[in-house]
Amino acid sequence: DVKVTQSSRYLVKRTGEKVFLECVQDMDHENMFWYRQDPGLGLRLIYFSYDVKMKEKGDIPEGYSVSREKKERFSLILESASTNQTSMYLCASSPILSTYEQYFGPGTRLTVT
Amino acid sequence: AQSVTQPDIHITVSEGASLELRCNYSYGATPYLFWYVQSPGQGLQLLLKYFSGDTLVQGIKGFEAEFKRSQSSFNLRKPSVHWSDAAEYFCAVGAWQAGTALIFGKGTTLSVSS
Repeated sequence: DVKVTQSSRYLVKRTGEKVFLECVQDMDHENMFWYRQDPGLGLRLIYFSYDVKMKEKGDIPEGYSVSREKKERFSLILESASTNQTSMYLCASSPILSTYEQYFGPGTRLTVT
Repeated sequence: AQSVTQPDIHITVSEGASLELRCNYSYGATPYLFWYVQSPGQGLQLLLKYFSGDTLVQGIKGFEAEFKRSQSSFNLRKPSVHWSDAAEYFCAVGAWQAGTALIFGKGTTLSVSS
């Protein structure tokens, strides 16, 4: 089974802090994604990566950056956390030759106070 | 632009009753279509997918979905709902213009009453 893990299930940070969310997949997938999920808004794509050191902006990249130094790991960085970044963050991966099917991690519930 | 609409924000169904969750998409060609389920506090789990061929697809947990090109729909059905089906359900479409990313609907929350 594909396994996508996220470093924390729950995280509480203060406004202005730098926050790192880590995601690791164990199936040698080329593509990795970061979404945020908010009530009534569904899932919105923040960034995705289709290869090591490659990244593409999604629909809502402002206030976020990403890093992919190794194939299995994709990090989401909040340079200076703000309260409006309080949300559920979901990581996903997919193989490059798949027809878009994505495998999701359990999510990180981030609260910025 | 591609889009996915789930018209029902919240549905309540009695246990044992049938279920249909609606999904409409906007896309010029034949899309790749998915239904995911999210239990409270969990990530998303793939229920089923449609790429081509038979328009009625079977998934896990007794769910099925039917692709209707003429209606641009991909509705999810289950003949008899169990209390454990209470969750949030997301329809998604894969489109070349979005690269390899999926476009998700805003979700439908299913409550099951006893």
